[in-house]
Amino acid sequence: AQRVTQPEKLLSVFKGAPVELKCNYSYSGSPELFWYVQYSRQRLQLLLRHISRESIKGFTADLNKGETSFHLKKPFAQEEDSAMYYCALKGGGYQKVTFGTGTKLQVIP
Amino acid sequence: KAGVTQTPRYLIKTRGQQVTLSCSPISGHRSVSWYQQTPGQGLQFLFEYFSETQRNKGNFPGRFSGRQFSNSRSEMNVSTLELGDSALYLCASGKDSGLDNEQFFGPGTRLTVL
Repeated sequence: AQRVTQPEKLLSVFKGAPVELKCNYSYSGSPELFWYVQYSRQRLQLLLRHISRESIKGFTADLNKGETSFHLKKPFAQEEDSAMYYCALKGGGYQKVTFGTGTKLQVIP
Repeated sequence: KAGVTQTPRYLIKTRGQQVTLSCSPISGHRSVSWYQQTPGQGLQFLFEYFSETQRNKGNFPGRFSGRQFSNSRSEMNVSTLELGDSALYLCASGKDSGLDNEQFFGPGTRLTVL
């Protein structure tokens, strides 16, 4: 079975401080990992995926297979980063996408 | 191109009634997934359809059902509504090409059960 755990429901940081949103997963094979973001009154949308190895809006995430983690990081938080962040996993083949319960990031001015 | 659309956007029903929600995916997308979003549980997977076939199913009771049409549009039905079914129901479509598994979400249908 595949599982995604986001241990923090709420993360509050000051503007300019580093941000790390934690995500741990459970999956026996090689998963595809994603971070989705939902800004206030907007649709849930893809932020980044591990296979792209890209930085979006200053955010990066590295897949650590040894620790089964895919933490989302940003060196300097901005007020516009305040949103709900979901980590998601897709197993191989036709398996479904499993989402974590989400972490609300609140950036304090 | 047009994004995922969901109708209706808001719905108020009473316990015991049934409801049908509709989702139109992005043109060319054959995979449609449904999720229930609540503040306490986050996003919970309901089911996924691909080329008119249910490919995956979450752990919801049989009162929740769905289908997909030949044009990839999908409907979700909930029968004998309960108060706990009040939630935002999200639909997501994807190419599901094996190389591109990004999901594109609709705005959701807000269901309130009184």
